[in-house]
Amino acid sequence: GIQVEQSPPDLILQEGANSTLRCNFSDSVNNLQWFHQNPWGQLINLFYIPSGTKQNGRLSATTVATERYSLLYISSSQTTDSGVYFCAAAGGATNKLIFGTGTLLAVQP
Amino acid sequence: DTAVSQTPKYLVTQMGNDKSIKCEQNLGHDTMYWYKQDSKKFLKIMFSYNNKELIINETVPNRFSPKSPDKAHLNLHINSLELGDSAVYFCASSQLYGNQPQHFGDGTRLSIL
Repeated sequence: GIQVEQSPPDLILQEGANSTLRCNFSDSVNNLQWFHQNPWGQLINLFYIPSGTKQNGRLSATTVATERYSLLYISSSQTTDSGVYFCAAAGGATNKLIFGTGTLLAVQP
Repeated sequence: DTAVSQTPKYLVTQMGNDKSIKCEQNLGHDTMYWYKQDSKKFLKIMFSYNNKELIINETVPNRFSPKSPDKAHLNLHINSLELGDSAVYFCASSQLYGNQPQHFGDGTRLSIL
């Protein structure tokens, strides 16, 4: 099955800094999602991006399906961006999402 | 309007008990899922139902039994709870065709004493 790896595992930023999170996947996918798990444990959908580039405010994501990676960009980070960022991918017909181990982001004021 | 709602949010119970977690979605999706997040934050799929038919059944102890009375509801019943069942359980839903994005509930935190 698909394997999903995320890097870096941990990241500490000063407020206002930019960052890039990476997700590598081992096989072709037809679903790739980025989530933010906030300090209350909620999984917030950020992007559905099996290919291409999308932007939503200070966040943007790019997936290069042919090279099997996706990037999440956070610009002008804020303390509310803190939490764990997960990438999850699915291939095949059952839409079974395989999650990476996450990137723990701490944004300091 | 809550899209995917789970009840209860918290569940604290004794080892050996039987408990259920309920999930409902009002997005009109045809597929629902259960995921387990362990103490190290690792998320793993357990089950999935498409139009009330089981389509994903991972290696999960048979003490866990999902039930889907209709495509808007997917419940999870757990028998003879063990300490290792302590986790956060997330329900999700999506349209299956085209592997559309999954939408997650807020999770149920299960603690076994």
